[in-house]
This record gives sequence, C-alpha cells and structure tokens, in this order.
Amino acid sequence: EIVMTQSPATLSVSPGERATLSCRASQSVSSNLAWYQQKPGQAPRLLIYGASTRATGIPARFSGSGSGTEFTLTISSLQSEDFAVYYCQQYNNRGTFGQGTKVEIK
Amino acid sequence: QVQLVESGGGLVKPGGSLRLSCAASGFTFSDYYMSWIRQAPGKGLEWVSYISSSGSTIYYADSVKGRFTISRDNAKNSLYLQMNSLRAEDTAVYYCARVAAAAGYYFDYWGQGTLVTVSS
Repeated sequence: EIVMTQSPATLSVSPGERATLSCRASQSVSSNLAWYQQKPGQAPRLLIYGASTRATGIPARFSGSGSGTEFTLTISSLQSEDFAVYYCQQYNNRGTFGQGTKVEIK
Repeated sequence: QVQLVESGGGLVKPGGSLRLSCAASGFTFSDYYMSWIRQAPGKGLEWVSYISSSGSTIYYADSVKGRFTISRDNAKNSLYLQMNSLRAEDTAVYYCARVAAAAGYYFDYWGQGTLVTVSS
C-alpha cells in the first residue's frame, strides 16, 4: 500500500498570506495526485487533480505542483473561506489519502 | 446538477450488518465509476471501495475485504454498500463519490455522507 504523509499537521496563517502544504508518497505515484478541501460538517471538495490541474470552479489562488513522491499545494493569498482541512490523495494504485493538514487562522 | 444522496446509516451492534445506498442524479450514472470513502469521527479520509461503470471491476481496501460488498443498479441510478461482520473500527461517516475519470480514480462529486455507528 502506498502511504501518503502530509506536513505540517497544522498550519497557522494570517489572511492574505501564502500557505504551502506538502504531501509525500512512500513510492512514486507519477502525477496521479489530487487535493481536496474539507470544511467542518461538509463533504470534501476536489481542488486539484493530475498534481497541478485545477478542478472546475476552483480559484486561481490554488495551485499544485510536484511529481513522483513530492507534492505541494499552494494557496497564494489566504481568504477567510480557505481555512479548512486539506487532504492529498494518490490514485496511481487504488487510492490512499494523507492524514490531512489543518489550515487555521493565525 | 450532480447530486449524490446517501442513506441507510445508523447504529448497529458489533458483528451486525447494514446496507448503505446512494441515489445519484444529474448525470449519466451508468457512464461513471463510483466509490465509497469513509471518515471516522475526527479522523481523516479512507478509501473503501471502487466499482466500474458496468460493475465488472471492483476493488476493496484491505480493511474491509471479505466483509463489505459494493454493487450498483444502473437502471435505478443507485450505488450500494453491503457491510457485514461490522466492527467498532468501522464507525464512520460513509461518503458516496463519483470517480471523475476512468483514467484516474479521484473524486469530483461527493454526497453529504451517512453515519454508521458500531457499538454494543
């Protein structure tokens, strides 16, 4: 099983600042990596697939990069609605999620 | 618009069974792979099972293999998860999700989830 590790567990950021979230795979997943956002009491929402392609309707301040085993989600200027938990998911071999990074208000 | 509505969750004793359903609308259900994903209280996401558009290809996570069965009825636009031999660690919100593309098992639409609690 491919293990996905996200860091940090919690990221404290002020509104308007940049947030950088990391996701590492235990073996190469090529570019088969997605990012999701989840707010309390809600289902996850797809943000990024193919490591760097924004899903429909996702603002340009969200960007993804990386391939192989190292991936990054960047939120260029945090808005109030962006404070949430973010999960990465590999889909190169079935599908496994990282444990999540909580982005909280500093 | 795409809608996925889960039902069938509830309280069940360890060793018991439960069948979850997911009603799909707003898209051609028979064209898409579907999946179940769960989330234990306060925890992260865990993929549970995939089923291909025709139902001919199915995958399970090791944690549920041999106990859970995924199925679909394309005539009824419905996805199912039969859960047997339930354990306390199966307690979670279970989400139904649409697989975005046959070439990549990521999820573009999710239901609101149904809570399964396994407790005596």
